[in-house]
Amino acid sequence: QVQLQESGPGLVKPSQTLSLTCTVSGGSISSGSYYWSWIRQPAGKGLEWIGRIYTSGSTNYNPSLKSRVTISVDTSKNQFSLKLSSVTAADTAVYYCARGPVITKEFDYWGQGTLVTVSS
Amino acid sequence: SYVLTQPPSVSVAPGQTARITCGGNNIGSKSVHWYQQKPGQAPVLVVYDDSDRPSGIPERFSGSNSGNTATLTISRVEAGDEADYYCQVWDSSSDHNYVFGTGTKVTVL
Repeated sequence: QVQLQESGPGLVKPSQTLSLTCTVSGGSISSGSYYWSWIRQPAGKGLEWIGRIYTSGSTNYNPSLKSRVTISVDTSKNQFSLKLSSVTAADTAVYYCARGPVITKEFDYWGQGTLVTVSS
Repeated sequence: SYVLTQPPSVSVAPGQTARITCGGNNIGSKSVHWYQQKPGQAPVLVVYDDSDRPSGIPERFSGSNSGNTATLTISRVEAGDEADYYCQVWDSSSDHNYVFGTGTKVTVL
C-alpha cells in the first residue's frame, strides 16, 4: 500500500519561502508510471493544483503560481519537495502531496495533508 | 483557463439517490475524476476515467460524462456518504493543468 507523508514547518513568515517534503513509502518514486504532485486547500475552500514532477525531474506548474514555485525530487530518499517563495497570508492552506498515474491523470493516493500558516 | 462548475450543495434522504453535476465546456471530451472529502481528511478517489471505481469503492458510486456535464451518482445514500465532492480533469490546453471543480457539499437528511 502506497503511503505519502508531508513534513515541514507549520508557520512561515510573510515574504519568506515555504518548504515542504513528501516522503513516499510502499512504492518507488522512480516508477515511470506516475507523476508526483502538490495540491493545496485554504480553509473552507476548494482544491488547487500547484505543480507536479516526474522521476526524471521534469516539472509542470500551475500558471497562476509558476513564478514562485519549485518542485524537486530526491529519488535516493524516495522524496519530493515543494518550495513556494514570497508567501503571503493568501498562501495559508492545507498542503497535500499526491500520486497521479501518467496515463489517466487522476490522483489515486494522497498524503494526510499539513497545515501551513503564513503569519508574522 | 478551464472552469468546472458544481452546485454548492445537494441534500438527499437516506436510501435515495444523489446526483452531483460538474459542468465544463465540452467536458465530454475529457476524462473526469471524482473525489470524496470528509472534514479534516484528505480527498479520496471514488471514480476515475468518467465511470471506473478504484478498488474498495462501493458500487453505489457511479459516474457518467457527456456533452457539457459530468455526473457522479450515489445510489442508496448512507449517512457516511455525507462529505464534500470534487470533480477534476486534466486540461491539456493550459500548460498541463489539473483543474478541480468548485466542490459540492452532500448533506444526508
